[in-house]
Amino acid sequence: DSGVTQTPKHLITATGQRVTLRCSPRSGDLSVYWYQQSLDQGLQFLIQYYNGEERAKGNILERFSAQQFPDLHSELNLSSLELGDSALYFCASSPPSGTSGGDYNEQFFGPGTRLTVL
Amino acid sequence: AQTVTQSQPEMSVQEAETVTLSCTYDTSESDYYLFWYKQPPSRQMILVIRQEAYKQQNATENRFSVNFQKAAKSFSLKISDSQLGDAAMYFCAYRWGPSGNTPLVFGKGTRLSVIA
Repeated sequence: DSGVTQTPKHLITATGQRVTLRCSPRSGDLSVYWYQQSLDQGLQFLIQYYNGEERAKGNILERFSAQQFPDLHSELNLSSLELGDSALYFCASSPPSGTSGGDYNEQFFGPGTRLTVL
Repeated sequence: AQTVTQSQPEMSVQEAETVTLSCTYDTSESDYYLFWYKQPPSRQMILVIRQEAYKQQNATENRFSVNFQKAAKSFSLKISDSQLGDAAMYFCAYRWGPSGNTPLVFGKGTRLSVIA
């Protein structure tokens, strides 16, 4: 157990709909990352938040948005869903800069949310 | 932009044998980290091993070791004494910068089968 939680585990919805994926990082971690893994593909970085602020953006579609709340949990909103959005969505967290010990350069992954768009 | 390439979509190994998975990367940065992640059928991402670019010594974790060739931008994973539980997708990943707070760039993965 990485300490990162994601809900829901599975989500089935129809094209055109909107969904929200939720992530709670490990206690003390300030960074949250969202990754998308399409069928039999590697993980693609979508977006990163650090202590409530957007830090980096990857291949995130305009139909997708995210935010990080004061309690550091994050939500990824996917709208106008298309069949091609079906994927496994991972959240990861990492400790703040200057953290001592071996964790400081590691990202800890949640179990993922499997989204199926029909 | 940084890229990570895994040229072997699939590999197989006999139980108890040794297998090497290849990874190359492209970056102009001098300060970065490299990782191998394992993704079993459960789909959980599990960190196998990591390497700091500034360290010349190759990282090892029990049966897992890497061959890090910085000039060649190569980062291969060697699994010794392969076990049935090693069967999984393996992803090579890169992250730049001295802090932990930068995104990972992943290769497309290598599917490893272990034959009993």
